[in-house]
Amino acid sequence: DQQVKQNSPSLSVQEGRISILNCDYTNSMFDYFLWYKKYPAEGPTFLISISSIKDKNEDGRFTVFLNKSAKHLSLHIVPSQPGDSAVYFCAASVSGTASKLTFGTGTRLQVTL
Amino acid sequence: GAVVSQHPSRVICKSGTSVKIECRSLDFQATTMFWYRQFPKQSLMLMATSNEGSKATYEQGVEKDKFLINHASLTLSTLTVTSAHPEDSSFYICSARSASGPTDTQYFGPGTRLTVL
Repeated sequence: DQQVKQNSPSLSVQEGRISILNCDYTNSMFDYFLWYKKYPAEGPTFLISISSIKDKNEDGRFTVFLNKSAKHLSLHIVPSQPGDSAVYFCAASVSGTASKLTFGTGTRLQVTL
Repeated sequence: GAVVSQHPSRVICKSGTSVKIECRSLDFQATTMFWYRQFPKQSLMLMATSNEGSKATYEQGVEKDKFLINHASLTLSTLTVTSAHPEDSSFYICSARSASGPTDTQYFGPGTRLTVL
């Protein structure tokens, strides 16, 4: 049972444009969400997070939006850069459960010149 | 800040041998460390949660006698794959949660590629 889903396995975006990565979840107990970026044969790198008390969090080129009623979150990267090419995982946790993260299956982003 | 290291980065071993993987938080104290494995083109699957000074909590389906976890200090956790078999070949990644930082943010190590012949 995949509680966190990233339905797009891959996404290609031109440099300078906006990249939008989507994530859906089914467990209504999740109240903290994170995005990680991962290169092959490396561990994930934390990008940005959002608590369920917010609907938007911004950090530089990265913005995460949370729609609790739709159980949907998205990561916006603008402007996209070639160095952003990687696999992006969204993850979710329930406060008070020792921060156990449930990961999505990832979306491979390719930023082209 | 929030750097996590893993050693070794890559290991090849014979079937039946044991392999130990170290996970260290370099610039912060980690009350909790997590061990994941990732198969090719799949998501990260949590194996176990390790709290300093106590027994690890294993996820359903993970054999605790096969994957021994020790969290002896606030900066070190080890995963030992005992009597490794080819099906244990995978990418193992640890993460650590800072004792003082955002409680739900985990910082990941670079991973260890295990190949069992």
